[in-house]
Amino acid sequence: GQNIDQPTEMTATEGAIVQINCTYQTSGFNGLFWYQQHAGEAPTFLSYNVLDGLEEKGRFSSFLSRSKGYSYLLLKELQMKDSASYLCAVRDGDYKLSFGAGTTVTVRA
Amino acid sequence: ETGVTQTPRHLVMGMTNKKSLKCEQHLGHNAMYWYKQSAKKPLELMFVYNFKEQTENNSVPSRFSPECPNSSHLFLHLHTLQPEDSALYLCASSQEGSGGVDTQYFGPGTRLTVL
Repeated sequence: GQNIDQPTEMTATEGAIVQINCTYQTSGFNGLFWYQQHAGEAPTFLSYNVLDGLEEKGRFSSFLSRSKGYSYLLLKELQMKDSASYLCAVRDGDYKLSFGAGTTVTVRA
Repeated sequence: ETGVTQTPRHLVMGMTNKKSLKCEQHLGHNAMYWYKQSAKKPLELMFVYNFKEQTENNSVPSRFSPECPNSSHLFLHLHTLQPEDSALYLCASSQEGSGGVDTQYFGPGTRLTVL
């Protein structure tokens, strides 16, 4: 089976940096996605990594190490609107995405 | 325009009712998906359709019946559900085989409550 682990909750202060870790053990690997989901809304695509290294997109960056089965999502200069659930998902085949349970990030003033 | 739409957004039904969830994608994608999202649990893939053909059925009970009449529309027909089926049902679409990232784009979901 697939096993994708991420912390359940994290809290940080406005303007700070938060790093959300994701570890995975899957039968195959064809890329790792991060999604953001605000309460009651659709998950929205944030980033994609298929090769080792760091992908930067504005305030958000995502890192992948395939040999370690490890990724992180880095959120910089946190804003109140960044309070949401962050989902780590591994593509292990043609179409299939296996998801972690999500990390709820709360940004405090 | 919203890429993936779902109706209804909220649904309350009894265990003996029959209802249908509808999903429509306006992105020109060739693959569509149904997921179940329960509180504090990972998204569970239920069904996958590629070019209108069902390619995945993740051991979903027969009280859930999908239908994909064309590549833009996807339905989930519900009958004799159980209270534990109460969850957020998400539809997604993607363009598979394009040589690109093949990102899945999600609709806002239908919040289902089974009484």
